[in-house]
Amino acid sequence: AQSVTQPDIHITVSEGASLELRCNYSYGATPYLFWYVQSPGQGLQLLLKYFSGDTLVQGIKGFEAEFKRSQSSFNLRKPSVHWSDAAEYFCAVSNFGNEKLTFGTGTRLTIIP
Amino acid sequence: DSGVTQTPKHLITATGQRVTLRCSPRSGDLSVYWYQQSLDQGLQFLIHYYNGEERAKGNILERFSAQQFPDLHSELNLSSLELGDSALYFCASSVDKPTGDEQFFGPGTRLTVL
Repeated sequence: AQSVTQPDIHITVSEGASLELRCNYSYGATPYLFWYVQSPGQGLQLLLKYFSGDTLVQGIKGFEAEFKRSQSSFNLRKPSVHWSDAAEYFCAVSNFGNEKLTFGTGTRLTIIP
Repeated sequence: DSGVTQTPKHLITATGQRVTLRCSPRSGDLSVYWYQQSLDQGLQFLIHYYNGEERAKGNILERFSAQQFPDLHSELNLSSLELGDSALYFCASSVDKPTGDEQFFGPGTRLTVL
């Protein structure tokens, strides 16, 4: 069965600093990978997705992620965080892009001035 | 705004009761998914409907049922409610393409069972 691991429950970063959120997946075939963000009291918004092709994908709000098959990872990065990036971030995997999503446990991001 | 609407936004009810959560997908989307988000279980897939037919089931309790109507809106029915059913219930929709597509999430319905 597919699974997603987000090893960091909570990360604190200074505003303007770089960010990397880790995601490891377990899946037999080529996975479809997603990063979603959830602000307090809000639904889930898609930041970016990887289906195939270039392993470095660009998303909204200045985020990017790199798919590394050898490491079964899909880490999310941002060169300079803004206070508005404080939220919970979820990595997810599906086996065909339009089937069920399996989510990681999420990483809560706190931004300090 | 994702284009997916869910009603109601909040629901407070008592144990043993039955509730219905409603979801309207984005215009043109044929697939509707239901997810449950709770503190102890995280985000879990419940069920997937495509154009009125059930396509996949996840960890959905027998007390829960869903359906998708001809106008493509979907309802999730939760019965014999227990305290542990308190959670945020999300609906998502997607276009069903062979190459796959993203799911767009609604704002959720927060269910509190007292």
